[in-house]
Amino acid sequence: AQSVTQLDSQVPVFEEAPVELRCNYSSSVSVYLFWYVQYPNQGLQLLLKYLSGSTLVKGINGFEAEFNKSQTSFHLRKPSVHISDTAEYFCAALGGGGSEKLVFGKGTKLTVNP
Amino acid sequence: DADVTQTPRNRITKTGKRIMLECSQTKGHDRMYWYRQDPGLGLRLIYYSFDVKDINKGEISDGYSVSRQAQAKFSLSLESAIPNQTALYFCATSDSGFPAYNEQFFGPGTRLTVL
Repeated sequence: AQSVTQLDSQVPVFEEAPVELRCNYSSSVSVYLFWYVQYPNQGLQLLLKYLSGSTLVKGINGFEAEFNKSQTSFHLRKPSVHISDTAEYFCAALGGGGSEKLVFGKGTKLTVNP
Repeated sequence: DADVTQTPRNRITKTGKRIMLECSQTKGHDRMYWYRQDPGLGLRLIYYSFDVKDINKGEISDGYSVSRQAQAKFSLSLESAIPNQTALYFCATSDSGFPAYNEQFFGPGTRLTVL
C-alpha cells in the first residue's frame, strides 16, 4: 500500500529549542515529497517540497527538510522554534505509479511551550 | 479575500439528512479535491476532479457524491448522513501540469457533526 509514516503523533518542545519531525516513505510512493502545516482552525499550507536536486530543502518560517534516499526519510527540522510554530505538520508524497494525487501521513502535532 | 472558500464553516445535522458542502475558488485552477480529516488519521481523499468533465473517486468515496458545477465550484454531498461522517472536511485546488499540481491550496475547512 502507498504509505507515508510520521513517526511521532505529538512533539512537545520548549521555545527556542531545536525540533525534528520525522517522516518515512515507502517504496510504493514517489520521491516527490512535501511538508504541509496546519495552524489552529486553518487549512493546510505548503511548507516546503522536494522534487529533485539538492537533498536539503529550505521552506518558509525557517524550516528545512532533508531527503535521504537510503533511509527513505524526509525529516523536517528547525534549529529554534517559536510559540507561533505550534501547529500540526503533515508529510506527504505523490503516489507511485505515475499517480498525481498526494498521499498524506497522519500528522504530527507540534506544541511549543514557553 | 480568500482564494479557496468553503461554506458552511460549521454544520450540525441529524442522521439521515442530506447535506451539501460547497467549495469555491478564485485561483483559476483546474483541479479540485475533497478530503476529510479525522484525529490521528490525517487527510483522506474522498473525490477529486481534474477538470469540469472529470470526476474520480478517492480512497473513501462511499456515502459521498460530488458535483463540479464550474471550474470554480466543487460541491460534496452526503446523501444520508451518518455519525461516523462527523469530521473536518477540506476542499483543495491545484494547477495542472508538473510540478505545479504538487502544491495544493486548501480552504479553511468545514466542521461537520452528525448526531
